[in-house]
Amino acid sequence: GENVEQHPSTLSVQEGDSAVIKCTYSDSASNYFPWYKQELGKRPQLIIDIRSNVGEKKDQRIAVTLNKTAKHFSLHITETQPEDSAVYFCAANRVRNQGGKLIFGQGTELSVKP
Amino acid sequence: DGGITQSPKYLFRKEGQNVTLSCEQNLNHDAMYWYRQDPGQGLRLIYYSQIVNDFQKGDIAEGYSVSREKKESFPLTVTSAQKNPTAFYLCASSMGPKLGQPQHFGDGTRLSIL
Repeated sequence: GENVEQHPSTLSVQEGDSAVIKCTYSDSASNYFPWYKQELGKRPQLIIDIRSNVGEKKDQRIAVTLNKTAKHFSLHITETQPEDSAVYFCAANRVRNQGGKLIFGQGTELSVKP
Repeated sequence: DGGITQSPKYLFRKEGQNVTLSCEQNLNHDAMYWYRQDPGQGLRLIYYSQIVNDFQKGDIAEGYSVSREKKESFPLTVTSAQKNPTAFYLCASSMGPKLGQPQHFGDGTRLSIL
């Protein structure tokens, strides 16, 4: 079945460094790729999303890139801050007969050390 | 997102007991979803509903049941048939079954076995 692989599972960086989280998806028909941030014990919150008609999207220190051919998409966080520490989830939508549903990656626990 | 309310925040289930988790939204969203989150894992879809009076099984529906009698409400019942119910349960909603709609989450219910 369709799945989304996310790497790494844990990531530790120094404050001010950049962080990159990568995901691959299996359904070539997927056309919507959101990223969620989840702080401990709280709800996942949408931080950025990208659609298949663009290759890159940026919002301040956060950017997402998409390579449709390779079925890869990545989250880039620049100038990391301690408040960026959280679990990040990527997702891809299921298209065939299942519009609206998302498949989530396993999550990446990001730790930003001051 | 203040528009999605889950209750209770914590719930304890005795063996052989059914328990119901509440999810209410005032975002006028057509689609609603229930996810289960276990430590170290991503979000797994239990049930979803794209419209009132209709719902579909997700990837891990066994031992769970839902209803969608009102647009605003999508309660989840964890039945005694679910032998390992301890998890964090998240409800989400989106504008509709259209492709590429972001999902917005509630604060979750943490269910434990007594």
